[in-house]
Amino acid sequence: DQQVKQNSPSLSVQEGRISILNCDYTNSMFDYFLWYKKYPAEGPTFLISISSIKDKNEDGRFTVFLNKSAKHLSLHIVPSQPGDSAVYFCAASADDDDMRFGAGTRLTVKP
Amino acid sequence: KAGVTQTPRYLIKTRGQQVTLSCSPISGHRSVSWYQQTPGQGLQFLFEYFSETQRNKGNFPGRFSGRQFSNSRSEMNVSTLELGDSALYLCASSSSGAYTGELFFGEGSRLTVL
Repeated sequence: DQQVKQNSPSLSVQEGRISILNCDYTNSMFDYFLWYKKYPAEGPTFLISISSIKDKNEDGRFTVFLNKSAKHLSLHIVPSQPGDSAVYFCAASADDDDMRFGAGTRLTVKP
Repeated sequence: KAGVTQTPRYLIKTRGQQVTLSCSPISGHRSVSWYQQTPGQGLQFLFEYFSETQRNKGNFPGRFSGRQFSNSRSEMNVSTLELGDSALYLCASSSSGAYTGELFFGEGSRLTVL
């Protein structure tokens, strides 16, 4: 059961513009959300997280927004850089349960 | 601080064989979780071990098993391999557990089943 869904398998953005990656979830018990970035031939690396008590968390060029009523979160990258080109995974977890990942979105930032 | 180490990085097996993958977590981390990555499916949770005990298990058949040793190193085993088992198997460690906070991933073991 795909409790975490990333409906866009790919996204292409021009350098300097904003990248918006979206993620939807179905389990209302999720209370912690994370984004991971994965380059080819490497394991995923943690990017940014947000707990359910917040609706926004910012870290430099990366901002995650959480809309609990819509069960939706998004990752904004501003400005996008070619080095941001990677696969981005959305993940969610609830107490005493494992972390669930989406299928990933491949971001390409064109120079 | 050394990262998560997975061995082997690549391996090729034939249907019906079995395979054992190894994961050494970051020093001090007691939780090790395993994920299967296939195109279009993202990271599918296999199981998590914490202090040598399986704490959570995903929806995989019994052919997939794992264990954790007293030094927190973990192994996963897949018996009677099927073509569909071809995937990248990722191990992740954390200080607390797969459901809290950040996971640190290894580079993965890419399994090809012929």
